[in-house]
Amino acid sequence: KAGVTQTPRYLIKTRGQQVTLSCSPISGHRSVSWYQQTPGQGLQFLFEYFSETQRNKGNFPGRFSGRQFSNSRSEMNVSTLELGDSALYLCASSLHRDRATISGYTFGSGTRLTVV
Amino acid sequence: QKEVEQNSGPLSVPEGAIASLNCTYSDRGSQSFFWYRQYSGKSPELIMSIYSNGDKEDGRFTAQLNKASQYVSLLIRDSQPSDSATYLCAVENVGYGGSQGNLIFGKGTKLSVKP
Repeated sequence: KAGVTQTPRYLIKTRGQQVTLSCSPISGHRSVSWYQQTPGQGLQFLFEYFSETQRNKGNFPGRFSGRQFSNSRSEMNVSTLELGDSALYLCASSLHRDRATISGYTFGSGTRLTVV
Repeated sequence: QKEVEQNSGPLSVPEGAIASLNCTYSDRGSQSFFWYRQYSGKSPELIMSIYSNGDKEDGRFTAQLNKASQYVSLLIRDSQPSDSATYLCAVENVGYGGSQGNLIFGKGTKLSVKP
């Protein structure tokens, strides 16, 4: 079966712009989580969506937002980009939230965002 | 602040040896623990999960959990050059209402297996 699909794979943006990243989870998976990965901080949790509702949010500024659609596809948006937002953004899906941490995540290939 | 600590490495072992990767965590309420492998330029891949104290074996991999000591480890037997990667320890984030639905990751240990 198809895995977690993230688009685009690479993005270059300038400071002040905004960006939208997309994630299609594994078919049947209703929970989608987003993480930011940088060399210095490692994997940092952004937010988690289940059935179109944000269930949990990490410690990121309000410039980072997301949403989930009825087909479980999810988007995250970063407004007013800063140089420090350059990172690999990973989407992870799991079957459903209550068991998300029992079965573990399946990660997408990620979107590499570079802010110049 | 909940934390998951790992030695950053690099940990270098010869081919055929046992590689031992360690992880400590701060939240005593955590019940689910995971090891992910991440090759350079790739996304993390789940290789082991463990929920009970003791050992869990899967092929060349053995995960060990000691909740009293808040310690998780991963042993890789008969290490191969293809095992060279960064290994991430991840722990369930638990709050007052139970699982928060996300994992807290360590920063990873870079393993290098020399032929």
